Amino acid sequence: EPEVTQTPSHQVTQMGQEVILRCVPISNHLYFYWYRQILGQKVEFLVSFYNNEISEKSEIFDDQFSVERPDGSNFTLKIRSTKLEDSAMYFCASKGLYEQYFGPGTRLTVT
Amino acid sequence: AQSVAQPEDQVNVAEGNPLTVKCTYSVSGNPYLFWYVQYPNRGLQFLLKYITGDNLVKGSYGFEAEFNKSQTSFHLKKPSALVSDSALYFCAVRHNTNAGKSTFGDGTTLTVKP
Repeated sequence: EPEVTQTPSHQVTQMGQEVILRCVPISNHLYFYWYRQILGQKVEFLVSFYNNEISEKSEIFDDQFSVERPDGSNFTLKIRSTKLEDSAMYFCASKGLYEQYFGPGTRLTVT
Repeated sequence: AQSVAQPEDQVNVAEGNPLTVKCTYSVSGNPYLFWYVQYPNRGLQFLLKYITGDNLVKGSYGFEAEFNKSQTSFHLKKPSALVSDSALYFCAVRHNTNAGKSTFGDGTTLTVKP
């Protein structure tokens, strides 16, 4: 069964550094998303992406965040200058007809 | 705006007993409703969805959920709980547009005791 994959599984970075989280969505899906989950808490929407542009973004998704689909398979989330409060689990999702399928997540730890 | 409420942080049931995890939602128009399960240090695993049609939907691992439009609820149920069902459960709602984001509830921790 096709699945969403994410790399790395765990990223440790220092405050102020740039990080890029990578995702490979399911191949025939057209809608892509990033969500985050601060440890043990609610899953929060960050951004949705369709047809090579952002469809919607939340207030969390400020100028420090950007997304890109650099080729036909990858979907990336970049955080330009990480803050301590960016520490969270970041989930990528892609959507077929109705439901979103989530990747296993990247745990980002900012020190 | 759309929102989801999961009124119980924790649900405890004995193995073999029926379980219910509650969810109510708010969304303009017709909702798409979902349940996901999350095991420790893992991603979100899709369980089931309501899009249209029959109010009782069946999903993975013997779970089912009942859509109740008048009560704006979408409770997750299982007739006989297993210890392995112990996990964190999230209800999510999405407006019926293609690119729409999903809004998740706070999650309910289900503990099934042997």
